[in-house]
Amino acid sequence: KAGVTQTPRYLIKTRGQQVTLSCSPISGHRSVSWYQQTPGQGLQFLFEYFSETQRNKGNFPGRFSGRQFSNSRSEMNVSTLELGDSALYLCASSSGPALHSPLHFGNGTRLTVT
Amino acid sequence: GNSVTQMEGPVTLSEEAFLTINCTYTATGYPSLFWYVQYPGEGLQLLLKATKADDKGSNKGFEATYRKETTSFHLEKGSVQVSDSAVYFCALSEWDTGRRALTFGSGTRLQVQP
Repeated sequence: KAGVTQTPRYLIKTRGQQVTLSCSPISGHRSVSWYQQTPGQGLQFLFEYFSETQRNKGNFPGRFSGRQFSNSRSEMNVSTLELGDSALYLCASSSGPALHSPLHFGNGTRLTVT
Repeated sequence: GNSVTQMEGPVTLSEEAFLTINCTYTATGYPSLFWYVQYPGEGLQLLLKATKADDKGSNKGFEATYRKETTSFHLEKGSVQVSDSAVYFCALSEWDTGRRALTFGSGTRLQVQP
């Protein structure tokens, strides 16, 4: 069974630009969560989608948004990039709502904002 | 709100030594507890979990017991190997300020020397 796939693996963007990250969950998983990982803040929850609906949202500004498609694939968008958005963005899928079901993580997309 | 506190690393051990990584948590209800491991260049992998008090999670020689009286979930392994070198994250899932949330600790880096 294929794992969680995130594309691209690496991205370099300039301040003020926008970026879209993609995540394909494990087949059959309906929940997709996004996390930001930085050396200073650690792992921070961005949002969770379940059956195309956003179920939870972390404490991030509105520049961070996401969506989930009918095939459970998810995209995350960050607009008006800031230097502080440089991070490893991790996507995780689970068979049920993330509160009770273990998460399966992808290898992440490393975003560098210059 | 919910929080997870882990011992700071790095933890450096010789092969076959005994490992303990401390984890304590703060939560208002009855959280589920997890340990995740992150190998270099990869996403997080679920190592073990416990969903109620006194449960013991175990996997690959690692163990952790859900202690509600001390709000702890310490990770232990009797004999570490070089291949166990990684970053270990303690996490809890619970309701937090009206929304479901998965909260991670800051991570503890383990270095095992041959």
